[in-house]
Amino acid sequence: ETGVTQTPRHLVMGMTNKKSLKCEQHLGHNAMYWYKQSAKKPLELMFVYNFKEQTENNSVPSRFSPECPNSSHLFLHLHTLQPEDSALYLCASSQGAGGGDTQYFGPGTRLTVL
Amino acid sequence: DAKTTQPPSMDCAEGRAANLPCNHSTISGNEYVYWYRQIHSQGPQYIIHGLKNNETNEMASLIITEDRKSSTLILPHATLRDTAVYYCIAHNNAGNMLTFGGGTRLMVKP
Repeated sequence: ETGVTQTPRHLVMGMTNKKSLKCEQHLGHNAMYWYKQSAKKPLELMFVYNFKEQTENNSVPSRFSPECPNSSHLFLHLHTLQPEDSALYLCASSQGAGGGDTQYFGPGTRLTVL
Repeated sequence: DAKTTQPPSMDCAEGRAANLPCNHSTISGNEYVYWYRQIHSQGPQYIIHGLKNNETNEMASLIITEDRKSSTLILPHATLRDTAVYYCIAHNNAGNMLTFGGGTRLMVKP
């Protein structure tokens, strides 16, 4: 148990659906991250939030829409996804977003797009 | 982040020490050496990190060579639950992204 929880753990959706992934951290951290891990590929950073403000968008398509209402919660809203978006989506948090802080990961959401 | 090189796989007998090497010959002075592991289809788990000095915590020990060009993660008494992919990362303390390479698939056998 890392102090970072993600729901749902598994999600199957059609290309026309709209769904949201939720991440919550109980570590008192100020920075939160979304990563994508596709099969046989390294982790890809998607978004970074620091004190609720988005500080990095790593050229992510607009069909992925993040939301950070407070420092403890992070959402990833999904709409009109493609089958190639099927992957493990990981949330992480760290004390700050200055790069030197250790990132702690949640268990991930396994997303399948049909 | 500097490039790291790890053996793709290793075996270890249960109860014995697992020594996982990592080469990071181009590491720069402000990059920490981080170790994470990932059990199949779960999120990466932080293990340990260090800059210059050797480090130890309840999970593992990290030995960094004096020139910082390589390091070794030591799991002192490996158990079956330590079977996972272990990632060594040289992380720039000015950047946000952790760059995970191929890692080492450690198989702990009874």
